[in-house]
Amino acid sequence: ETGVTQSPTHLIKTRGQQVTLRCSSQSGHNTVSWYQQALGQGPQFIFQYYREEENGRGNFPPRFSGLQFPNYSSELNVNALELDDSALYLCASSLTGRGNEKLFFGSGTQLSVL
Amino acid sequence: TQLLEQSPQFLSIQEGENLTVYCNSSSVFSSLQWYRQEPGEGPVLLVTVVTGGEVKKLKRLTFQFGDARKDSSLHITAAQPGDTGLYLCAGARNTDKLIFGTGTRLQVFP
Repeated sequence: ETGVTQSPTHLIKTRGQQVTLRCSSQSGHNTVSWYQQALGQGPQFIFQYYREEENGRGNFPPRFSGLQFPNYSSELNVNALELDDSALYLCASSLTGRGNEKLFFGSGTQLSVL
Repeated sequence: TQLLEQSPQFLSIQEGENLTVYCNSSSVFSSLQWYRQEPGEGPVLLVTVVTGGEVKKLKRLTFQFGDARKDSSLHITAAQPGDTGLYLCAGARNTDKLIFGTGTRLQVFP
């Protein structure tokens, strides 16, 4: 148990729809990072939020957006869904967001786009 | 472009065998982490190495960081079915965000 919870666990959407994924970080952590993981591959960094501000972004288009709330929970929003967006979306919390920190991952949200 | 390449991509072995997983890059990393991920779960940190040439042991698992801090290896001695999972290396360059490798899927049969 990492203390990081994600919802929903599974989601099925159709192409063109919008989706919101949620993450509650571990108590005491003010940084949340989002990753996209295709089947059998390593996670790809989407973006990170530190104290409610975006603090780094990977190579993802603007239709991937996020938000962090005062309690440090976070949302990942994806607009105009495409088939290739089907993946496991992982949220990880940490203390400061520095690259050499331990990340505490949730169990992920499995998104299927039909 | 994948900065961290892992090999092999898949590994299927019998219980009791030894194995090594490699993580290679052309970039220098200030630290490197190894995670294990089981189906339906997020990755869980196994170890962090920060010094070139560093070797860390975790029971039957031995982790090594290359002298030039561009590569790492994970060696498992006498593998057991409980070792089955996706092994991921992840590197950090200074304060940059953590970058994950391509992953190695290990299956250990009884």
